[in-house]
Amino acid sequence: DQQVKQNSPSLSVQEGRISILNCDYTNSMFDYFLWYKKYPAEGPTFLISISSIKDKNEDGRFTVFLNKSAKHLSLHIVPSQPGDSAVYFCAASDSGGSNYKLTFGKGTLLTVNP
Amino acid sequence: SQTIHQWPATLVQPVGSPLSLECTVEGTSNPNLYWYRQAAGRGLQLLFYSVGIGQISSEVPQNLSASRPQDRQFILSSKKLLLSDSGFYLCAWSPRTGWVETQYFGPGTRLLVL
Repeated sequence: DQQVKQNSPSLSVQEGRISILNCDYTNSMFDYFLWYKKYPAEGPTFLISISSIKDKNEDGRFTVFLNKSAKHLSLHIVPSQPGDSAVYFCAASDSGGSNYKLTFGKGTLLTVNP
Repeated sequence: SQTIHQWPATLVQPVGSPLSLECTVEGTSNPNLYWYRQAAGRGLQLLFYSVGIGQISSEVPQNLSASRPQDRQFILSSKKLLLSDSGFYLCAWSPRTGWVETQYFGPGTRLLVL
């Protein structure tokens, strides 16, 4: 039972254009969401997060949108750069739980072409 | 600033041999600690988490165990490795605030069981 789904295994965009990475979740108790970026053979790096009390959070070129009714969130990267090429993981958590656990999706490989 | 260390970076072990992976965190006290595994082509699977010394919770039944002998040290072990234990093992920490917090990952250990 996969509670966090990233249905696109890969995405390819041109440098300078917008990258949109999508994530869906099924657990209605999830109320805190994060995006991580991972290069091969390295640990994931935290990018941006959003609480369910918001529908948008922005940090530089990265914006996360949350649609609670659709149980959907997306990460927008504008403009995309070749250095953004990596695997992006969506993660979710239930802040009312006692174990502070994050549930991760399987990731989307983003390739930004020069 | 906080840093997280994992070693070794790469490990090749025969089936049936023991395993010990170590993770240490610097620059913080009383962190929550986590062990994840990323199998080839898969997402991040939480294996163990710890909210204090000697307190270990297991997420999935498996051939592995974890221990936390000191506040900022987390060890992943096995008495006899299986082929299916191959993967990329990640340690992570988060502040213990009583809320869900961002988790920060170490560089990872690539384990190949032959």
